[in-house]
Amino acid sequence: TQLLEQSPQFLSIQEGENLTVYCNSSSVFSSLQWYRQEPGEGPVLLVTVVTGGEVKKLKRLTFQFGDARKDSSLHITAAQPGDTGLYLCATYSGAGSYQLTFGKGTKLSVIP
Amino acid sequence: DSGVTQTPKHLITATGQRVTLRCSPRSGDLSVYWYQQSLDQGLQFLIHYYNGEERAKGNILERFSAQQFPDLHSELNLSSLELGDSALYFCASSVDPGGGREAFFGQGTRLTVV
Repeated sequence: TQLLEQSPQFLSIQEGENLTVYCNSSSVFSSLQWYRQEPGEGPVLLVTVVTGGEVKKLKRLTFQFGDARKDSSLHITAAQPGDTGLYLCATYSGAGSYQLTFGKGTKLSVIP
Repeated sequence: DSGVTQTPKHLITATGQRVTLRCSPRSGDLSVYWYQQSLDQGLQFLIHYYNGEERAKGNILERFSAQQFPDLHSELNLSSLELGDSALYFCASSVDPGGGREAFFGQGTRLTVV
């Protein structure tokens, strides 16, 4: 099973600030997904990255996949209170890639 | 609304008891995944079924079992419950197994063992 390490574990920032959270592994990712989970809800997919060096943008969110496909980052510009939540990275691993494994996540609080 | 339905939403039971959690996947999805989420462990993968067959097993306790029925709904059975089994249990579905497919999550069942 591929281990995913996310940092920081907690992040509390003021509205309007920028932030970056990270997801790393000692193994190469076949692909990597970022999910956001709000309290009382299940995770919701934000993006899937597949190619090394790939950059994807979703409004104020920018996702980057490392060239070696062992790391990824999520950058949020001008954070808003609605960005508050748990940000999780995940990858399919194991024999046949049937196991969707998650990191422990970064809990983001954006203070108005 | 993800299209994945989990019941019940909340469950309170005593130690030593047995409970069944139910999951109905999105229409057309053949894969069902079960996860346990606790504060200190994050989202832990338990088991994956595809079209009625078990395809992957995570750190699922022997006291826990699951199955996927011909109509594709799935049940997670938890027995001889302990206080430490208190957690959120999520089910997710996808159209086919693995390969970077998006997994759609239900709202979870909050299990409290007292």
